[in-house]
Amino acid sequence: GAVVSQHPSWVICKSGTSVKIECRSLDFQATTMFWYRQFPKQSLMLMATSNEGSKATYEQGVEKDKFLINHASLTLSTLTVTSAHPEDSSFYICSAGLAGVYTGELFFGEGSRLTVL
Amino acid sequence: QQPVQSPQAVILREGEDAVINCSSSKALYSVHWYRQKHGEAPVFLMILLKGGEQKGHEKISASFNEKKQQSSLYLTASQLSYSGTYFCGTEMIGGSQGNLIFGKGTKLSVKP
Repeated sequence: GAVVSQHPSWVICKSGTSVKIECRSLDFQATTMFWYRQFPKQSLMLMATSNEGSKATYEQGVEKDKFLINHASLTLSTLTVTSAHPEDSSFYICSAGLAGVYTGELFFGEGSRLTVL
Repeated sequence: QQPVQSPQAVILREGEDAVINCSSSKALYSVHWYRQKHGEAPVFLMILLKGGEQKGHEKISASFNEKKQQSSLYLTASQLSYSGTYFCGTEMIGGSQGNLIFGKGTKLSVKP
């Protein structure tokens, strides 16, 4: 099956620093990738839709200047949490669907756990 | 807009059956079901498209009643490996492909 890889799996950073999380589709191309945030024992909350070659679409309430998304190629999307604060600590997960063929199936990355001290 | 899942949690013995429900107040194009084990990424189970259908995969099946905007996931003869949190994700009519709104999840624990 299709594989989506996220890096890093976990990261600890100091308050005020920026952190970049990568999401790669390893064996398929993805024109669209999705970024979610998941707090402990809660649901996946869609943050933004990342489109290759164009600006990301952010969900209501998500600060686009704080969560920078770049989708520079058909296999890579990045999420940068700028000036991170403790309340940004969370589990961030990306997903992608097959480009050109809509099957409805999304392939999820392993997630990246961010802890801001 | 977030779909409502019920129950929030269920505990089963191996071999028992369970039903997880997902309902939306919005007109749905599709309902997706995922299972997530602790500390892992969600894994796709199945998708049901509007038109009212039922699907199955081994002992896990699901139905979608588009008139009621409801979907149910049926787990029969549960196995220990079925433990995890089940999420339904809903795709609205007129929404973007893949843009899913997930329910809060149903935690399923299967005991020996």
